[in-house]
Amino acid sequence: AQTVTQSQPEMSVQEAETVTLSCTYDTSENNYYLFWYKQPPSRQMILVIRQEAYKQQNATENRFSVNFQKAAKSFSLKISDSQLGDTAMYFCAFYQGGSEKLVFGKGMKLTVNP
Amino acid sequence: SAVISQKPSRDICQRGTSLTIQCQVDSQVTMMFWYRQQPGQSLTLIATANQGSEATYESGFVIDKFPISRPNLTFSTLTVSNMSPEDSSIYLCSVGPESTDTQYFGPGTRLTVL
Repeated sequence: AQTVTQSQPEMSVQEAETVTLSCTYDTSENNYYLFWYKQPPSRQMILVIRQEAYKQQNATENRFSVNFQKAAKSFSLKISDSQLGDTAMYFCAFYQGGSEKLVFGKGMKLTVNP
Repeated sequence: SAVISQKPSRDICQRGTSLTIQCQVDSQVTMMFWYRQQPGQSLTLIATANQGSEATYESGFVIDKFPISRPNLTFSTLTVSNMSPEDSSIYLCSVGPESTDTQYFGPGTRLTVL
């Protein structure tokens, strides 16, 4: 079974700084997708970024980018120019094509300080 | 991405009662999912609901406790039956992955059982 590991339970960063959130996963499959979701105190799960495993190019969305290392099964999220609104729980998730199920990591609490 | 609404947004219920949570999507979707998020924890999939068929429950979740309806392609309900304080959680519905292999989440229902 696929597993997703987020080893850092909590991090804090100063506003405008850059922070990297780590995530590793375990799978024997080749066709899969990786996601980062953000859950602010409002509890809404918001998609931050998505990466297809077959793409070598790292996904970027404005201030958010990933470092996808397929051989190492690593999928880290970099947040540049951190903003107070980035304060949230961040969940890494794995989806195997055709399985219909998202597998989530335990999450990491990010606090951005003014 | 789909726009998803949930009702109620929060509720406080007495032990032994039942609560039905509604999930409405602004477009037709094949698959809908129900998750539970216990305090301070990650998301756990309860069941997958396809229109026109019985919901598929994950290990540890049973239909008698969490009956699900999926009457059409834009709506689903989850009932939490015979509630106990251990059922206090956030319940989220999601839709997808459709052609994008991405799940999008509703705003969640925060349930407190006294």
